[in-house]
Amino acid sequence: NAGVTQTPKFQVLKTGQSMTLQCAQDMNHEYMSWYRQDPGMGLRLIHYSVGAGITDQGEVPNGYNVSRSTTEDFPLRLLSAAPSQTSVYFCASSYAGVTDTQYFGPGTRLTVL
Amino acid sequence: TQLLEQSPQFLSIQEGENLTVYCNSSSVFSSLQWYRQEPGEGPVLLVTVVTGGEVKKLKRLTFQFGDARKDSSLHITAAQTGDTGLYLCAGVRDYKLSFGAGTTVTVRA
Repeated sequence: NAGVTQTPKFQVLKTGQSMTLQCAQDMNHEYMSWYRQDPGMGLRLIHYSVGAGITDQGEVPNGYNVSRSTTEDFPLRLLSAAPSQTSVYFCASSYAGVTDTQYFGPGTRLTVL
Repeated sequence: TQLLEQSPQFLSIQEGENLTVYCNSSSVFSSLQWYRQEPGEGPVLLVTVVTGGEVKKLKRLTFQFGDARKDSSLHITAAQTGDTGLYLCAGVRDYKLSFGAGTTVTVRA
């Protein structure tokens, strides 16, 4: 099993550009989520999904979109990048939701100029 | 405002010493998880505590969940250089996981 994979590992964008951060898992997990990690602030939940076709907002959803067309994939879209979205983004998955072990990907470091 | 406050923010100790990291909140959680994160990697789960007053041991690491399920602590006995990392607590509430800001632990040889 590859676990949770994220691409790209690093990305630099200009303000206003859009892009998609990819996340995939091969563990047949129903629950997937996206977090951003900023210095001194821990991880903050952006969006999450309890299964294919179902998504919901987390703590900091503004400026981000998600979709879940398959169990395996949970892409995160930045619609119009802003410098405030400079962060490290982590995707996580678990079998049975938030009470279960969260398996995190290696992260994507995004810089918006 | 963080739902979970971790203290201290930074901790630097000599190998062989003991350390304690605290995770506090005014909110009640149904369970609490502790993760460790190394530079350039995602967090990895260490333990989940569920019952108020619960104590779990993982080799030299001892985790305690407060009686009221609002706080938790992580105690490391005889720290080793391999314990260096960012320790994060995360509480489950309203079907969401909220993380503390983390404690950066450095164990010097």
